[in-house]
Amino acid sequence: GDSVTQMEGPVTLSEEAFLTINCTYTATGYPSLFWYVQYPGEGLQLLLKATKADDKGSNKGFEATYRKETTSFHLEKGSVQVSDSAVYFCALLARAGGTSYGKLTFGQGTILTVHP
Amino acid sequence: GAVVSQHPSWVICKSGTSVKIECRSLDFQATTMFWYRQFPKQSLMLMATSNEGSKATYEQGVEKDKFLINHASLTLSTLTVTSAHPEDSSFYICSAAGGGFLYEQYFGPGTRLTVT
Repeated sequence: GDSVTQMEGPVTLSEEAFLTINCTYTATGYPSLFWYVQYPGEGLQLLLKATKADDKGSNKGFEATYRKETTSFHLEKGSVQVSDSAVYFCALLARAGGTSYGKLTFGQGTILTVHP
Repeated sequence: GAVVSQHPSWVICKSGTSVKIECRSLDFQATTMFWYRQFPKQSLMLMATSNEGSKATYEQGVEKDKFLINHASLTLSTLTVTSAHPEDSSFYICSAAGGGFLYEQYFGPGTRLTVT
């Protein structure tokens, strides 16, 4: 079945440091890819998305590029802030047939803590 | 746009009682709604998918008689946890998609259920 693997956390950075959170996936066909962010005690907010190969999603300084050849969708930000501290989830939406069709599959989540 | 609300945001109930959680799409018609469960510091687990006016489709291992889902209108889905037990304590999150299950899901803020 479809799966998403994220780099293990937690990740701890100083303010203004460069952030990379790795995400790789296994899926049938060409899924859509997402990064969601969850702040403590809250639901998920869509951070960015990409729907086809080579698309780059970007939002609030975060970027991720859909790499079909490496089945990856790594999240990057050039300069993190304390307010970026949250849990980040990589996810895919399966668009091909099979048991995962139409379902979001999430990675395990990566906790990011940014210190002043 | 694309706002999803949940009510209540938190609830405490006694073992053996039932509790209902509402999920509403406030500014769009949600043809498909999803219910997830999240354990502390873990990823989201899809419980069921419901389409307006149809019976919900439950994921393997989810007891449909315990977790009753109703999607009676295009803006409201409810999850009822029947005969709750302490192990049902969790964070329940709903999401809604306006164009069907292949379209972007918008997440509610979540409901914290504690069963004593």
